[in-house]
Amino acid sequence: GAVVSQHPSRVICKSGTSVKIECRSLDFQATTMFWYRQFPKQSLMLMATSNEGSKATYEQGVEKDKFLINHASLTLSTLTVTSAHPEDSSFYICSARAAGGSADYTEAFFGQGTRLTVV
Amino acid sequence: LAKTTQPISMDSYEGQEVNITCSHNNIATNDYITWYQQFPSQGPRFIIQGYKTKVTNEVASLFIPADRKSSTLSLPRVSLSDTAVYYCLVGEDAPGYSSASKIIFGSGTRLSIRP
Repeated sequence: GAVVSQHPSRVICKSGTSVKIECRSLDFQATTMFWYRQFPKQSLMLMATSNEGSKATYEQGVEKDKFLINHASLTLSTLTVTSAHPEDSSFYICSARAAGGSADYTEAFFGQGTRLTVV
Repeated sequence: LAKTTQPISMDSYEGQEVNITCSHNNIATNDYITWYQQFPSQGPRFIIQGYKTKVTNEVASLFIPADRKSSTLSLPRVSLSDTAVYYCLVGEDAPGYSSASKIIFGSGTRLSIRP
């Protein structure tokens, strides 16, 4: 089945530095990818929609200047947490699904997630 | 997007059948019902999807009554490895959907399986 891969799976960084997380669709093209954040014992919260070739669409309350999203190609989206602080420590997950158009449903595929710890 | 309500947590034992019910009273005509499973420190994984009546795959069954205001995920003979959080989602995931359709997660049900 289709696979979405995230890298790195775990990262520790110092407060004030920036961290980039990559999300790749390995065997399908994704014009749209989604980025989520999940705090311990909580559900996934949608942060933004990443659009290939155009600006990302951010959910209300998510700072676009802090969470930079670049959808450079049909198989790669990156999330950069800029000037990270301890409160940004969380589990970040990306998602993508292949373009529709057929009569069959294609489920969304999720990356394995990235555990970010800011110290 | 239709709001969903699920039990916060459930406990069961190995070998038992587990049924998790989700309420979605304001489901729209075009909405499908989808269930995902999430293990700790992993991304969610698709389990099953349906529109009405009953759907079954190798992992689970999904029961949807005629009014579609609720749905029940049924896991037959659970094992310890079924301990996870299960999310019920309702939205426009119809065939021929747009790949830009958002997936919004509710609170989920934390299922714990004991020996």
